[in-house]
Amino acid sequence: QSALTQPRSVSGSPGQSVTVSCTGTSSDAGSYTSVSWYQQHPHKAPKLIIFDVTQRPSGVPYRFSGSKSGDTASLTISGLQAEDEADYYCSSYAGRYTWVFGTGTKVTVL
Amino acid sequence: EVKLLESGGDLVQPGGSLRLSCAASGFTFVNYDMNWVRQAPGKGLEWVSSISHIDGTTSYADSVKGRFTISRDNSKNTLYLELNSLRAEDTAVYYCAARLPVHHGFDIWGQGTMVTVSS
Repeated sequence: QSALTQPRSVSGSPGQSVTVSCTGTSSDAGSYTSVSWYQQHPHKAPKLIIFDVTQRPSGVPYRFSGSKSGDTASLTISGLQAEDEADYYCSSYAGRYTWVFGTGTKVTVL
Repeated sequence: EVKLLESGGDLVQPGGSLRLSCAASGFTFVNYDMNWVRQAPGKGLEWVSSISHIDGTTSYADSVKGRFTISRDNSKNTLYLELNSLRAEDTAVYYCAARLPVHHGFDIWGQGTMVTVSS
């Protein structure tokens, strides 16, 4: 149950696009189309923004999108806005009714 | 309003025990798998445990297996986590999270309850 690997931080200017990667193994992200992404603002609970690699829950802006290739999933934020500054975590189903989270990425809006 | 409300967090000595509760409202609790996720101070999220809505099947992270027990009472719309043999490294905010089992994302989150293990 090792954490998925994410970059510690990424940054971009308002209006730009940023991409956060999430690298797992063949035991988790590489084997399942079950990667989710969560946004967490300081001192707040996480919020689901992407599930099953590419799906957006109702109410999540279109500028958030997800993809996956092999063992690596990615979250792209297009048209970055000030309110997007937060920590982002990926998560993957890891089989046998277990889950694993990523190490987390701080997104900074310059 | 869809809501999860955790309670029971406290300061406890190493080796001690604690019981966390999570009260659900605003959605059909029996249709959701339920989970506990924790976050140590300044650290990332860690999945802790899950319980199925169908048959009560449970699972645990290796770090808590044999020490923590998850359970649910569908008649009370409440999820529980029994924490035993607590260690300093169990210090964290504990979130309960609900998952509609048509996908693998955690849809609904509570605001968390703080557990501090210290002498």
